[in-house]
Amino acid sequence: TQLLEQSPQFLSIQEGENLTVYCNSSSVFSSLQWYRQEPGEGPVLLVTVVTGGEVKKLKRLTFQFGDARKDSSLHITAAQPGDTGLYLCAGGRGSQGNLIFGKGTKLSVKP
Amino acid sequence: DTGVSQNPRHKITKRGQNVTFRCDPISEHNRLYWYRQTLGQGPEFLTYFQNEAQLEKSRLLSDRFSAERPKGSFSTLEIQRTEQGDSAMYLCASDALNYGYTFGSGTRLTVV
Repeated sequence: TQLLEQSPQFLSIQEGENLTVYCNSSSVFSSLQWYRQEPGEGPVLLVTVVTGGEVKKLKRLTFQFGDARKDSSLHITAAQPGDTGLYLCAGGRGSQGNLIFGKGTKLSVKP
Repeated sequence: DTGVSQNPRHKITKRGQNVTFRCDPISEHNRLYWYRQTLGQGPEFLTYFQNEAQLEKSRLLSDRFSAERPKGSFSTLEIQRTEQGDSAMYLCASDALNYGYTFGSGTRLTVV
């Protein structure tokens, strides 16, 4: 069974701080996606990375896919209370359609 | 297009009853997925369709669960003889190119 492990599970920080969350696996994925989920809602796609070593930036968020396509990280600069939520990584397996999700990192940013 | 729509948003049922959920995907998307999410966990894969064909089912999908996608449009997920362990958020998602899902808001099932 392919597993994606996310760390940390919980993160509580003050507004303006920087943070990094990690997503690790022993398996290779064809793509890696990051989602953000708010309570009572479905996850919302933030980014998809497909090439080993790829780095994508989305305003204050920086996503990196590991060279071996087994791990990924999400870095948030100058966090804001609006960044609060559950951050999920999900690995794709090419032609097989379904994604495998990690358990998520619950982020709380206090004003 | 208004995105992926799921109905109902909430469902409370007594143990042993049958329930059915509906998902309307984005019209251009040929793939449709069902996931289940419990508190503190990430979404767990249940099943997926490409057009009307059900291509994969998880071992989580017991005999009490059945999903359909007639004519490759909307999909239904039925749970027969519900158990308390079925209480969860049931999420539907669709995509076209396997580069990112669009999720619905989910159906929260509570079995009492």
